[in-house]
Amino acid sequence: AQSVTQPDIHITVSEGASLELRCNYSYGATPYLFWYVQSPGQGLQLLLKYFSGDTLVQGIKGFEAEFKRSQSSFNLRKPSVHWSDAAEYFCAVAVPYNQGGKLIFGQGTELSVKP
Amino acid sequence: ETGVTQTPRHLVMGMTNKKSLKCEQHLGHNAMYWYKQSAKKPLELMFVYSLEERVENNSVPSRFSPECPNSSHLFLHLHTLQPEDSALYLCASSHGDRTSYEKLFFGSGTQLSVL
Repeated sequence: AQSVTQPDIHITVSEGASLELRCNYSYGATPYLFWYVQSPGQGLQLLLKYFSGDTLVQGIKGFEAEFKRSQSSFNLRKPSVHWSDAAEYFCAVAVPYNQGGKLIFGQGTELSVKP
Repeated sequence: ETGVTQTPRHLVMGMTNKKSLKCEQHLGHNAMYWYKQSAKKPLELMFVYSLEERVENNSVPSRFSPECPNSSHLFLHLHTLQPEDSALYLCASSHGDRTSYEKLFFGSGTQLSVL
């Protein structure tokens, strides 16, 4: 069955430091992969997505993610974190509709940013 | 502002009450979704509507009853809920002739507390 694992429940980084949030997925074929961010009291906002092609994808707010098939990973990165990046981050995998059609989320990683 | 509006933002209800959550989107999307977000758990897909027709119901208890009168509006009717139903209920919408998981636009959610 398809699944998404985010190993880190909570991460704290200093402002200006680099960030990497981990995501591992389980899916037989090439997945559609997403990262969403949820600020406190808000819904989820799409940061970036990977469907095919270049395995390094750029998103909004200076985020990027790299798809590594051999590791079944889709880690999110940012070279320099800003205090406003403090939020919860969700990785998700989408199974195409003609193969069942679902969007499966990980449990999320909460990011705190120290001044 | 994502174009998906949910009301109310907060709701407290007793187990014998009947209430409804409302979701409205002005993005021209034709698929709408209800998700449940409980603390430290992955988002759970509850219902999917495509072109106003329910296409998925993930074994949700009958005390939750969705309604999609048109492509812009989605309701979740609640009755005789249990305390474990307390959660953030998120509405989302997307493009697609059928359910498309390519990009979801989320509302800010309704924080529900069942006493």
